[in-house]
Amino acid sequence: ILNVEQSPQSLHVQEGDSTNFTCSFPSSNFYALHWYRWETAKSPEALFVMTLNGDEKKKGRISATLNTKEGYSYLYIKGSQPEDSATYLCASGGNTGKLIFGQGTTLQVKP
Amino acid sequence: KAGVTQTPRYLIKTRGQQVTLSCSPISGHRSVSWYQQTPGQGLQFLFEYFSETQRNKGNFPGRFSGRQFSNSRSEMNVSTLELGDSALYLCASSPQLAGDLGQFFGPGTRLTVL
Repeated sequence: ILNVEQSPQSLHVQEGDSTNFTCSFPSSNFYALHWYRWETAKSPEALFVMTLNGDEKKKGRISATLNTKEGYSYLYIKGSQPEDSATYLCASGGNTGKLIFGQGTTLQVKP
Repeated sequence: KAGVTQTPRYLIKTRGQQVTLSCSPISGHRSVSWYQQTPGQGLQFLFEYFSETQRNKGNFPGRFSGRQFSNSRSEMNVSTLELGDSALYLCASSPQLAGDLGQFFGPGTRLTVL
């Protein structure tokens, strides 16, 4: 994998459903994997920065896991709510300010 | 702390003109990165400035340039605008090293080239 890739591109779920997205990234020279949430008319907001293989982070109903050896990360949302509707971006980065973003997964949660 | 601010928020230019966008980072942040988002594309990295020096550069033509001042404020300039330069331009700031907090994004400047 040469680029950062995300799947699916979009997702429609019902309120209360749990969902997950995938981010694939180059595993060579890995330093950090970032997850951002980008709501309409707002700025992207950092959710997690993950650096260690096997790392698992959680913020409320949202959690993420990281596998640096195979180059993927999963983002999970438990019991989706309408306010979770947003585009979720992952990005591969080093110890500087250069981030390589995936195309994002757009989540729409229907009440 | 005040967040990242960008000016102007909206801009309309015609082909061939040049434009300058401004970004003020969070106080104490020394790294400023610029990204471009066009329809159908993800966020594309333009460049990063740290302590008034360009530390990283993305794959964009030389028409795209930037600079950073001693107070960490940054500007990016696009000369000889093309229709394809119409995009949302985001800047993001972070402390010296990216750390555990990620980057803090501004609201963006929406540039339309006619």
